[in-house]
Amino acid sequence: DTGVSQDPRHKITKRGQNVTFRCDPISEHNRLYWYRQTLGQGPEFLTYFQNEAQLEKSRLLSDRFSAERPKGSFSTLEIQRTEQGDSAMYLCASSLRGGAATDTQYFGPGTRLTVL
Amino acid sequence: AQSVTQLDSQVPVFEEAPVELRCNYSSSVSVYLFWYVQYPNQGLQLLLKYLSGSTLVKGINGFEAEFNKSQTSFHLRKPSVHISDTAEYFCAVSDHYGGSQGNLIFGKGTKLSVKP
Repeated sequence: DTGVSQDPRHKITKRGQNVTFRCDPISEHNRLYWYRQTLGQGPEFLTYFQNEAQLEKSRLLSDRFSAERPKGSFSTLEIQRTEQGDSAMYLCASSLRGGAATDTQYFGPGTRLTVL
Repeated sequence: AQSVTQLDSQVPVFEEAPVELRCNYSSSVSVYLFWYVQYPNQGLQLLLKYLSGSTLVKGINGFEAEFNKSQTSFHLRKPSVHISDTAEYFCAVSDHYGGSQGNLIFGKGTKLSVKP
């Protein structure tokens, strides 16, 4: 069990550029979540996948944001035309959907995005 | 809609003193409750969770929490803290459909600062 990994750990970009983040979940986990955390706040839910299907999206996920999980394994989160307000820590979590005892979300270290 | 309130944004304590971090939630449906810890520049680590059964839940690192349905609270406690417990602690709630949790709703976090 290697845990949830995220790449890159840090990203600095200029306003208007596109960025893409990657998340690799724990290998047998079928659910994958994306959250955003800004300074002084708790993580806020963005979207989640069960296998390759995107089952829920938050209203926080504007049209500039898109997430994919094409083969039900790793996921990418793309932000187009970045704005300074997008600066945040983007967290990925995974879980194994099954009995309640197994549906615990395990978080990766996050990708810190800074938009200049 | 669900929400989580962490009543204290910062809690300073001396080493070996007891500590209680408060968490209240609101929800119109049955919920699962969680406490996560976040060390600087790291992702979230699960401390403990309440799914059902005994209202007193024991977690890692000597922490425990008690679910109080009538007061809609899930306060985190430790009888004697260490310097290494200095971190930010997040309370979270999720509703559950058929025994499987949905996305997590987090509080704003409580920064625990343990002083020698």
